[in-house]
Amino acid sequence: DAKTTQPNSMESNEEEPVHLPCNHSTISGTDYIHWYRQLPSQGPEYVIHGLTSNVNNRMASLAIAEDRKSSTLILHRATLRDAAVYYCILRVLYGGSQGNLIFGKGTKLSVKP
Amino acid sequence: NAGVTQTPKFQVLKTGQSMTLQCAQDMNHEYMSWYRQDPGMGLRLIHYSVGAGITDQGEVPNGYNVSRSTTEDFPLRLLSAAPSQTSVYFCASSYSQRQGRPYEQYFGPGTRLTVT
Repeated sequence: DAKTTQPNSMESNEEEPVHLPCNHSTISGTDYIHWYRQLPSQGPEYVIHGLTSNVNNRMASLAIAEDRKSSTLILHRATLRDAAVYYCILRVLYGGSQGNLIFGKGTKLSVKP
Repeated sequence: NAGVTQTPKFQVLKTGQSMTLQCAQDMNHEYMSWYRQDPGMGLRLIHYSVGAGITDQGEVPNGYNVSRSTTEDFPLRLLSAAPSQTSVYFCASSYSQRQGRPYEQYFGPGTRLTVT
């Protein structure tokens, strides 16, 4: 499975934008880029995913490099509720294990008031 | 929809005891999986299922059994608990590629298990 590299931790101020980077230099053509986050004492929750093009949804934006070897999750205005561990995950689209998510350690985001 | 539900929320076992962690979903998802999360770590895949009657091993399957007799339920069995199995267990479900929507997984709230 292709792996991802993320910073261990990041800090942000409330109401400021946050850019969470992820490197995935060994990504294959059938790998989707998924982001999940885990709030304290909760199960992970889906944030966003993409394949080649930048994506936006109500929670965040995903910017994918042209060569797909890196991506950035963008929270446009961080709130205290966004303090969580953010996981960047490559998910295989085809094959018997296509549903599996392989979690790394993620980036722990702290948001200061 | 209740989403993904897990019971119990907390459990303490003695070494050698057996128990079953329950997981159920009401979203008609074909794909279900079990993860464990140790302190300060990411989640690790234990077992998964792509449909009723089909299960497969993940990254850390030893000491755990699963079965999938219905679409809704995916129980995880510990046959002889060991202290190394102290962890938080998460169940997850999603549509499968065959259902045409292989995207987000929904996670349950977790079961915190302590083995003494």
